[in-house]
Amino acid sequence: AQSVTQPDIHITVSEGASLELRCNYSYGATPYLFWYVQSPGQGLQLLLKYFSGDTLVQGIKGFEAEFKRSQSSFNLRKPSVHWSDAAEYFCAVGALQAGTALIFGKGTTLSVSS
Amino acid sequence: GAVVSQHPSRVICKSGTSVKIECRSLDFQATTMFWYRQFPKQSLMLMATSNEGSKATYEQGVEKDKFLINHASLTLSTLTVTSAHPEDSSFYICSARDHKEGAYEQYFGPGTRLTVT
Repeated sequence: AQSVTQPDIHITVSEGASLELRCNYSYGATPYLFWYVQSPGQGLQLLLKYFSGDTLVQGIKGFEAEFKRSQSSFNLRKPSVHWSDAAEYFCAVGALQAGTALIFGKGTTLSVSS
Repeated sequence: GAVVSQHPSRVICKSGTSVKIECRSLDFQATTMFWYRQFPKQSLMLMATSNEGSKATYEQGVEKDKFLINHASLTLSTLTVTSAHPEDSSFYICSARDHKEGAYEQYFGPGTRLTVT
């Protein structure tokens, strides 16, 4: 079955500390991976994506993610968290084929403490 | 970048009435659009896949007679919630894929908050 697992429902990080949000996937085809962020009451904003090539991808707002095929993982990282990073983060997987929707993980809520 | 719009952004309706939500791709053509539903503090659940000029494909458990989807052109898909009830209150998000070959990404609309009273 195709699925995305985000093991951490809620994470609290001190401002200035590093962050890693975990994402594991199970997908039958070649996976195309995404991380989105959502603030309360808002839509989704794409942070970064991985289609092919370099397995370390850089995104917006200082985020990066590393694709590890052997571990079926696509963890999101940021070296220094800002209070404005507090939000809901979703990992998603999709396929190249047209007509294929993204499958989302359940999300991780990030809180930032001062 | 590609932009997807949704209208309205918020709607309040009375129980038993119908509500139509529009999803438009503004600067690209979308053969396929997707409708998701998000309950508070939960993830996005795919409701249906909408293909231009053909019937939508609904996910298991989604009532096709209640959630009518029409994809009449390459830039517009609509979701009509018929005979809405309070349990239909939710955040509805559409997304669209560029129909150009090799385009992988889905572009998401800003969402529509539906409240049924």
